[in-house]
Amino acid sequence: DIQMTQSPSILSASVGDRVTITCRASQGLSSSLAWYQHKPGKAPKLLIYKASTLERGVPSRFSGSGSGTEFTLTITSLQPDDCATYYCQEYINYWTFGQGTKVEIK
Amino acid sequence: EVQLLESGGGLVQPGGSVRLSCAASGFTLSRFTMAWVRQAPGKGLEWVSLISFIGQKTYYTDSVKGRFTMSRDNSKNTLYLQGNRLRAEDTALYYCAKSLDPGDSPFESWGQGTLVTVSS
Repeated sequence: DIQMTQSPSILSASVGDRVTITCRASQGLSSSLAWYQHKPGKAPKLLIYKASTLERGVPSRFSGSGSGTEFTLTITSLQPDDCATYYCQEYINYWTFGQGTKVEIK
Repeated sequence: EVQLLESGGGLVQPGGSVRLSCAASGFTLSRFTMAWVRQAPGKGLEWVSLISFIGQKTYYTDSVKGRFTMSRDNSKNTLYLQGNRLRAEDTALYYCAKSLDPGDSPFESWGQGTLVTVSS
């Protein structure tokens, strides 16, 4: 099975900062990588798929990049509403999630 | 509008069984790959099972193989997850999720979840 490793586990930044989350896969995924945002008490929300395609309705401050085994999610200007846990997920093998990155506002 | 409504969770004794349901509306269930994803207390998201649009094949994460069975009733547009021989580590909020595309793709729509607590 493919292992997905995210870093960091917790990220604390100020409003307006550019933040980056990294996801590494134990095997090549081509571009079969998605990013989700999950807030407490809410359903997870798909942000990005095919590594870099923005889901409909997702703000343009979110972007994804990468291919193969290394991927990044970037928020160009962090907003208070972005406080959440973010997960990467591969969907080329089984639909394994990374362990999550909790984003907090300083 | 796509809607997914889970039900069937509750308190279950270790070794017991539970049947979760996910009523789908706004789309035809049989035309999409569907999944169950869970989140244990204080933990991250974990994919549990998936039924593929192609060939209706089912897949399970290793920890539930042989104990959980996923199925769907196309006439009712409803998805099910039967869990047997439940363990404390099966305690979680269980979400059903719909794929973005009919084939292998990420999960575009999610329900609000149903909580299963395995405890004596």
